[in-house]
Amino acid sequence: SQQGEEDPQALSIQEGENATMNCSYKTSINNLQWYRQNSGRGLVHLILIRSNEREKHSGRLRVTLDTSKKSSSLLITASRAADTASYFCATLNTNAGKSTFGDGTTLTVKP
Amino acid sequence: DTAVSQTPKYLVTQMGNDKSIKCEQNLGHDTMYWYKQDSKKFLKIMFSYNNKELIINETVPNRFSPKSPDKAHLNLHINSLELGDSAVYFCASSQDRRGRGGYTFGSGTRLTVV
Repeated sequence: SQQGEEDPQALSIQEGENATMNCSYKTSINNLQWYRQNSGRGLVHLILIRSNEREKHSGRLRVTLDTSKKSSSLLITASRAADTASYFCATLNTNAGKSTFGDGTTLTVKP
Repeated sequence: DTAVSQTPKYLVTQMGNDKSIKCEQNLGHDTMYWYKQDSKKFLKIMFSYNNKELIINETVPNRFSPKSPDKAHLNLHINSLELGDSAVYFCASSQDRRGRGGYTFGSGTRLTVV
């Protein structure tokens, strides 16, 4: 299985609800990043959390990181139809010199 | 101005052909990357260049050859295209080779080999 696995693979919610996506990884990391990819587009960087941080906020986004469990979660509050996209986590291991992306969670927000 | 731009956006070609994809970034970043995203959306790194120096070369067929004439440009040339090469190819850049500030992606090149 891949470093940086998201679950669920797919999530469908109503507008206004909160969406939570999880990411698990295997090796030690320096930071973890979340990206959004709209259909047919490139990935857009959302938020980065360093290995010594436990929580970070950006607008309606809240990211947590638990290095003991090697997991992270992305919470989108008060979701909007425009949040419909795939969300990827990426873990950076500077020793390896690269980031590894997970398989993504496809979020559908119904209006 | 687009931060990371790649061309073409779509590429349809026959098996056996040779094709190139170009990428340019105007962010002043030192490091550039090529990623391949398959039909299941799995994103896999192919190459990385830092200041024109190849630093990551994953297990990629040698039909794929990256070229970086300067740190703002990273092109990808593919020889003898195969059906399995069909995918979306993304160029990305980061401030430094460790990618600590995150990555900026281009909008992708959808390659279809027929």
